[in-house]
Amino acid sequence: EDQVTQSPEALRLQEGESSSLNCSYTVSGLRGLFWYRQDPGKGPEFLFTLYSAGEEKEKERLKATLTKKESFLHITAPKPEDSATYLCAVQAVDGNEKLTFGTGTRLTIIP
Amino acid sequence: NAGVMQNPRHLVRRRGQEARLRCSPMKGHSHVYWYRQLPEEGLKFMVYLQKENIIDESGMPKERFSAEFPKEGPSILRIQQVVRGDSAAYFCASSRDRGSEQYFGPGTRLTVT
Repeated sequence: EDQVTQSPEALRLQEGESSSLNCSYTVSGLRGLFWYRQDPGKGPEFLFTLYSAGEEKEKERLKATLTKKESFLHITAPKPEDSATYLCAVQAVDGNEKLTFGTGTRLTIIP
Repeated sequence: NAGVMQNPRHLVRRRGQEARLRCSPMKGHSHVYWYRQLPEEGLKFMVYLQKENIIDESGMPKERFSAEFPKEGPSILRIQQVVRGDSAAYFCASSRDRGSEQYFGPGTRLTVT
């Protein structure tokens, strides 16, 4: 069974303090790894898709990387508006499109 | 530039009633997915549909839950004889093609009293 574990569960950072969020996964065959951002009371907002080990994607202060066992979401010089829950999900080659999600990292950026 | 639309946003039902949740995918998207998010838990896949076809319902409870995506109109997630344990946020997502990113709607928050 596909599994996704995210750590830490919660993270509080000062504005401008860079850090990384971790997503460890086990999957029979990886088709893609997805990062989403979710604000309270809203639906997940798509950020990145990574398909193969060594791949990196960037968007503003966020950079996602992928290895064969885990993915990292690096946040550089974060701002208060980056506060949200960040979700990681995997899609298996034989999983018929379904996404398997982790429980997320709740990120709080303190001004 | 409408995204995925869901209605209602909030739904209150008494135990034993039926709940109907609607989802209109993004323009140009023909793949629809339903997920459920229980308090303090991650999003769980329920069902994957294309127009007039259920492709994968491996995450659907065996009883009381059904889903459809008719040729015309929105996708519907139907829960019959709701129980308190059905209280959750239900999210719909859509994608353009198989394997492409899924875009989520704002969700329907179901409360069963």
